[in-house]
Amino acid sequence: EVQLVESGGGLVKPGGSLRLSCAASGFTFSSYSMNWVRQAPGKGLEWVSSISSSSSYIYYADSVKGRFTISRDNAKNSLYLQMNSLRAEDTAVYYCAREVRDWGGSSWYGWFDPWGQGTLVTVSS
Amino acid sequence: SSELTQDPAVSVALGQTVRITCQGDSLRSYYASWYQQKPGQAPVLVIYGKNNRPSGIPDRFSGSSSGNTASLTITGAQAEDEADYYCNSRDSSGNHLGVFGGGTKLTVL
Repeated sequence: EVQLVESGGGLVKPGGSLRLSCAASGFTFSSYSMNWVRQAPGKGLEWVSSISSSSSYIYYADSVKGRFTISRDNAKNSLYLQMNSLRAEDTAVYYCAREVRDWGGSSWYGWFDPWGQGTLVTVSS
Repeated sequence: SSELTQDPAVSVALGQTVRITCQGDSLRSYYASWYQQKPGQAPVLVIYGKNNRPSGIPDRFSGSSSGNTASLTITGAQAEDEADYYCNSRDSSGNHLGVFGGGTKLTVL
């Protein structure tokens, strides 16, 4: 069974740091790009960051650029998100998601499947 | 980045057909994917690519696209289809899947 399990969430003070982990199983982790997506309470989904299979390509949302760092360890089938200088607006459930791609015409298209169950990060004093 | 626009809320009578739309310039070039999210649960993929359903997704779910608009259609909506639905596509840079629509709350009456 393809599965993603996040951990590391919790309560942290503004300006603090937290490291999220996502453990993957049931598929060849090293073959896929991985993503973090978050959802603030009562709000919609917001893409946070992506990392290619070999860590060669890394992208961030403007809202977290310079504060968050995505990384992966293919030997451990694990994805990470180091979050520094946390703000109240970073409060959210953080999901990891596998990115799957295919080709349509002359360009690729992709989707997220599966998603983890999410881990809650609360930034509050 | 780019934007994807969805209607905040849509309702449908039990057993009827409903279309949920997603608009954005990037959709002229890239397919959208669609996700269903029920309260307290993680999102679940329901449609990807031109019109593909993952294993386990009922065939009453279908997708289509025209111009800058992608659509998710539920033919014969069931009570269990009541959920939030999100579209997603490639960012305008084309480098990643960094754009979600704001979501549509579907109510089945």
